[in-house]
Amino acid sequence: AQKVTQAQTEISVVEKEDVTLDCVYETRDTTYYLFWYKQPPSGELVFLIRRNSFDEQNEISGRYSWNFQKSTSSFNFTITASQVVDSAVYFCALSEARAAGNKLTFGGGTRVLVKP
Amino acid sequence: DTGVSQDPRHKITKRGQNVTFRCDPISEHNRLYWYRQTLGQGPEFLTYFQNEAQLEKSRLLSDRFSAERPKGSFSTLEIQRTEQGDSAMYLCASSLAGGLAGSTDTQYFGPGTRLTVL
Repeated sequence: AQKVTQAQTEISVVEKEDVTLDCVYETRDTTYYLFWYKQPPSGELVFLIRRNSFDEQNEISGRYSWNFQKSTSSFNFTITASQVVDSAVYFCALSEARAAGNKLTFGGGTRVLVKP
Repeated sequence: DTGVSQDPRHKITKRGQNVTFRCDPISEHNRLYWYRQTLGQGPEFLTYFQNEAQLEKSRLLSDRFSAERPKGSFSTLEIQRTEQGDSAMYLCASSLAGGLAGSTDTQYFGPGTRLTVL
């Protein structure tokens, strides 16, 4: 069975600090996909990134970067020079290629609070 | 290009009443998903459609829940005889299924319908 664990429930930082969100996953599938979504106070889940299990290259997009390590089953997310607008709940999610419809299994989320 | 839309955004009902939610996916997307999110938790999968066919239902979807996607476009989720435990955010997502075996597709979410059962 697939499982995603986000051990940090809430992180509070001051603006311009870096923040790293941890994500650990479990799967028996050899082909799977990992995702990060952002949920601002408005409630809508916003897609940030998708990574497949065969691509361990780290990725950077503006102030966002992701570190995928299969050896530790982790897919961590870093926000550099955080801004107040980054305040939201961030979810890590897993989809197994063999799962019907590629349904997503989400972690419990990490609430990020960026103070000015 | 419009995103996924859901209606209503908020619904307050009394225990025992029936409620129906609507989801309009991104127009060219052939897959449509329903998830439920309770306070402080991550979303949980309920069911999904490929075109008009409902292909999987979670054990979370009791017999009081029914979902349809009659013409492969919009979908409705109905809850009969609502209970207080049904209070949650109901999220709809859509995606375009990839052509390659084992490929996946990114799910884009709507704003959700927040249900409160009194």
